[in-house]
Amino acid sequence: EIVLTQSPATLSLSPGERATLSCRASQSVSGYLAWYQQKPGQAPRLLIYDASNRATGIPARFSGSGSGTDFTLTISSLEPEDFAVYYCQQRSKWPLTFGGGTKVEIK
Amino acid sequence: EVQLLESGGGLVQPGGSLRLSCAASGITFSTYAMSWVRQAPGKGLEWVSTISNNGASTYYADSVKGRFTLSRDNSNNRLYLQMNSLRAEDTAIYYCTKALPIIITLWDSWGQGTLVTVSS
Repeated sequence: EIVLTQSPATLSLSPGERATLSCRASQSVSGYLAWYQQKPGQAPRLLIYDASNRATGIPARFSGSGSGTDFTLTISSLEPEDFAVYYCQQRSKWPLTFGGGTKVEIK
Repeated sequence: EVQLLESGGGLVQPGGSLRLSCAASGITFSTYAMSWVRQAPGKGLEWVSTISNNGASTYYADSVKGRFTLSRDNSNNRLYLQMNSLRAEDTAIYYCTKALPIIITLWDSWGQGTLVTVSS
């Protein structure tokens, strides 16, 4: 199975700062990588799919990039509601797998 | 508005069975693939199983293959997960998810989840 490794595990930033989250795959997933956001007590929400496509209703401050094995989620300027856990997910091969998550916390 | 309402979770002993149900509304249910994704307490997300829109194809994580069965009733807009031979490591919140149009392996709508606890 494809293992996704997210880094850092925790990112401590202030509102207004730029957040850069990384997801590395154990083998190429081409461009078939998605990002989800999860807030405490809530279900995850799809942010980005196929590396760089924003899902419906997702603000432009969220962007994704990468291909092959290295991917990045960037939040250009953190809003208070962006402090959450972020997961990457690959859909290149079964079984579908998630990364372990990056928690973005308020500094 | 899409609504996915899970039910059927609860406390079950190791080796026991449960059937989870997901009632969908606000969508033409028969057009979308559906999945279950679970999350152990305080842990990350784990894909469990996916079923195609017409039920002809199903996919399972190795951790549940042979124990869990995913099915759907398109006439009643319901998704089911039959879970047998439950183990402590199956303890998790189980989320019912709806796939994007065409892409069966991404999920743009999630229910609030139902908690399954496997313990003696």
